[in-house]
Amino acid sequence: KAGVTQTPRYLIKTRGQQVTLSCSPISGHRSVSWYQQTPGQGLQFLFEYFSETQRNKGNFPGRFSGRQFSNSRSEMNVSTLELGDSALYLCASSSFSDGYNEQFFGPGTRLTVL
Amino acid sequence: GQQVMQIPQYQHVQEGEDFTTYCNSSTTLSNIQWYKQRPGGHPVFLIQLVKSGEVKKQKRLTFQFGEAKKNSSLHITATQTTDVGTYFCAGPPGAQKLVFGQGTRLTINP
Repeated sequence: KAGVTQTPRYLIKTRGQQVTLSCSPISGHRSVSWYQQTPGQGLQFLFEYFSETQRNKGNFPGRFSGRQFSNSRSEMNVSTLELGDSALYLCASSSFSDGYNEQFFGPGTRLTVL
Repeated sequence: GQQVMQIPQYQHVQEGEDFTTYCNSSTTLSNIQWYKQRPGGHPVFLIQLVKSGEVKKQKRLTFQFGEAKKNSSLHITATQTTDVGTYFCAGPPGAQKLVFGQGTRLTINP
């Protein structure tokens, strides 16, 4: 099976812009979670989707949003970018319906905000 | 909110020495998972423990889940250079989101 793929792998934006990141889970996985990883804060949960529904959300401002499509692919959007949004954004998929078991991570999208 | 604390934050060892990282949660976890992230890579699932007091081994790695399901440890015997990376524990407190510890970064002197 192909692993989790994320596009793009690298992105450079300026403050105030918006960005959309894409994630394709492992075939058959319906749970997709997004995480933000920074050196200072570690891995922070953004949100989790299952069957196109957001089931859980982390403590991030409303500028961070996401969605999931019928084929389980997911996108996350960050509007009005701030310097502090620079991070590695990781997507993870899971075969379990509760989404809180083994997570398969993608390679991540490294976002730099200038 | 729910927190998962992991210590130490950094550990540097000589190749061949043992290594242990500890994970403590402020709430009971339904399970504990361990991940390894190599430098420049992404987290890779190592194992999941579900039962109170559970111990699992993977070659030189030993994982334990505490009796109260609030703490866990990962012990590596006789480290090798391939063990370099950051080790994360993660757990879902109840039915909540997966909460990751801050990770323990392991470096090894060959």
